[in-house]
Amino acid sequence: DVKVTQSSRYLVKRTGEKVFLECVQDMDHENMFWYRQDPGLGLRLIYFSYDVKMKEKGDIPEGYSVSREKKERFSLILESASTNQTSMYLCASSFPGIGSRVTGGNTGELFFGEGSRLTVL
Amino acid sequence: GNSVTQMEGPVTLSEEAFLTINCTYTATGYPSLFWYVQYPGEGLQLLLKATKADDKGSNKGFEATYRKETTSFHLEKGSVQVSDSAVYFCALIPGYSSASKIIFGSGTRLSIRP
Repeated sequence: DVKVTQSSRYLVKRTGEKVFLECVQDMDHENMFWYRQDPGLGLRLIYFSYDVKMKEKGDIPEGYSVSREKKERFSLILESASTNQTSMYLCASSFPGIGSRVTGGNTGELFFGEGSRLTVL
Repeated sequence: GNSVTQMEGPVTLSEEAFLTINCTYTATGYPSLFWYVQYPGEGLQLLLKATKADDKGSNKGFEATYRKETTSFHLEKGSVQVSDSAVYFCALIPGYSSASKIIFGSGTRLSIRP
């Protein structure tokens, strides 16, 4: 089974602190993603990476950065945490997946970690 | 553009009731369609998927049929259990797009009464 592991389930930080959220996957997936989930807003993509050292901004990258030094690990960094970054953060990974046309039948569905609930005071 | 619309929640049902959660989509090309489930305190898990028109995805007693003519992918279960209480997300990957382009609906919270 695919396993996506997020380092912390619950964190409490103070405004201005630097926060690291770590994510590791064990299925050799090329793609990795960071989402945040907020009530009434669903899932919003922060950043994603399709290869080591590669990253692209998602829909809400402001206030965040990412690091992908190894294929299995994707880190989300809050340089200076703010109260509006209190949220549930979800990491996910996948094979590239090109719609339904990928060889081997892979459709690129995402595999998620259990989430990291961050509270910024 | 590409989008997913699913019914507003919360949905509250009694155990053994029939469940339908509506999902409609707008997409270019031939998208792949997914239902994800999020149990309390957990991340999302893939529940089922369908990759072409008239495909039926099924898992854990849940079913959804890819209806291109109505651009829908409604989730159904014949007899729900308390353990089905969760948030359900409909999602799509547009045809010929990479997984980075997956688009989620806003989620529907389901609560099952014993």
